[in-house]
Amino acid sequence: GAGVSQSPRYKVAKRGQDVALRCDPISGHVSLFWYQQALGQGPEFLTYFQNEAQLDKSGLPSDRFFAERPEGSVSTLKIQRTQQEDSAVYLCASSLGTSGSMKDTQYFGPGTRLTVL
Amino acid sequence: GNSVTQMEGPVTLSEEAFLTINCTYTATGYPSLFWYVQYPGEGLQLLLKATKADDKGSNKGFEATYRKETTSFHLEKGSVQVSDSAVYFCALSDRDNNNDMRFGAGTRLTVKP
Repeated sequence: GAGVSQSPRYKVAKRGQDVALRCDPISGHVSLFWYQQALGQGPEFLTYFQNEAQLDKSGLPSDRFFAERPEGSVSTLKIQRTQQEDSAVYLCASSLGTSGSMKDTQYFGPGTRLTVL
Repeated sequence: GNSVTQMEGPVTLSEEAFLTINCTYTATGYPSLFWYVQYPGEGLQLLLKATKADDKGSNKGFEATYRKETTSFHLEKGSVQVSDSAVYFCALSDRDNNNDMRFGAGTRLTVKP
């Protein structure tokens, strides 16, 4: 079956450009997460959606970062006025439920590697 | 706050050697614990999990036991293969905080023939 997909897989942006990263979760998965993974580090939480509601955005590093999931399925992470420190792999994950083991088990996409020059 | 500390890499082993990757955690609640694996060029995959103290997660010959008394979740495999070469991440999810998943920094394992 189809897993979590992300596009583009690679993105190169000039400093100051806006970028949009897309995540297609597993069909039927209620919960969706975005993470940022710097080189040589583990993923760091950015934001969480339950259906279309963004329940937690405490991990977003600045107001240049914005995420949406308007219809409760596909999600977009937008970064405005990109900076070099935004260079990282952005991971999307989804899980079936909203509590207990169904929420615990997150399925990850391959990530989008963003390089800001 | 919650955090995970795992053994720094890289780790290089010969085929059929015994593997241990240490992981300890700090949590205020009762977390679920996970090991994820990232093969070259691929995304994170769940390797195994344990949801309560003394549970043992196992998959593909890997095992880890949730030890509340030592706040540990060490990953072990009795005989590694070249195909096990990957980066391994320990993680915890706090059930009392429905979106708080914390990862360790990852340990790169290389298995040589």
